[in-house]
Amino acid sequence: DVKVTQSSRYLVKRTGEKVFLECVQDMDHENMFWYRQDPGLGLRLIYFSYDVKMKEKGDIPEGYSVSREKKERFSLILESASTNQTSMYLCASSRQGTVSNYGYTFGSGTRLTVV
Amino acid sequence: RKEVEQDPGPFNVPEGATVAFNCTYSNSASQSFFWYRQDCRKEPKLLMSVYSSGNEDGRFTAQLNRASQYISLLIRDSKLSDSATYLCVVNSGTGRRALTFGSGTRLQVQP
Repeated sequence: DVKVTQSSRYLVKRTGEKVFLECVQDMDHENMFWYRQDPGLGLRLIYFSYDVKMKEKGDIPEGYSVSREKKERFSLILESASTNQTSMYLCASSRQGTVSNYGYTFGSGTRLTVV
Repeated sequence: RKEVEQDPGPFNVPEGATVAFNCTYSNSASQSFFWYRQDCRKEPKLLMSVYSSGNEDGRFTAQLNRASQYISLLIRDSKLSDSATYLCVVNSGTGRRALTFGSGTRLQVQP
């Protein structure tokens, strides 16, 4: 089975801190995604990447950046954390060309609280 | 208007009941459709893809109506373990390789 691993299950950070959320997948998938999930708003796409060093903005990229230096790793960076970035962050991956057929595999999520 | 809309529920049903959820999508160019299941404080997991001709997986049946732009999920003989949030998911088909998620419909199956 594909495994998508997010480095932290829970994080508490202070306003203004730079925050790194790490995601690693072990099945050589080309596509990787970062979403945040908030009550009543569902999952919203922040950024995605379909190849090493490639990235595309999703629907809510403001306040975030990403890094994909290796195929298996996709990092989400909060440059200066704010309280409105308190959320559940979900990483997902899929093989290129298979999103349409098989959807994603998600990591178990990182619940980030910014105080 | 949201790209994917669902009734948030909750749907409270007794064990053994049949329950149906609908979902509407706004982009007529959408090509791929899925239902995901999400348990409380867990990640979403793929329940089933939705095919144009409709498809069934055990107690679960998914239907697609392209003309009306809606997707449905029918659960027969509900079990307590079916209690979860069901997410309707669409690939917009515009070349973007990312899925768009509905906010989910919560199902609570009661003994």
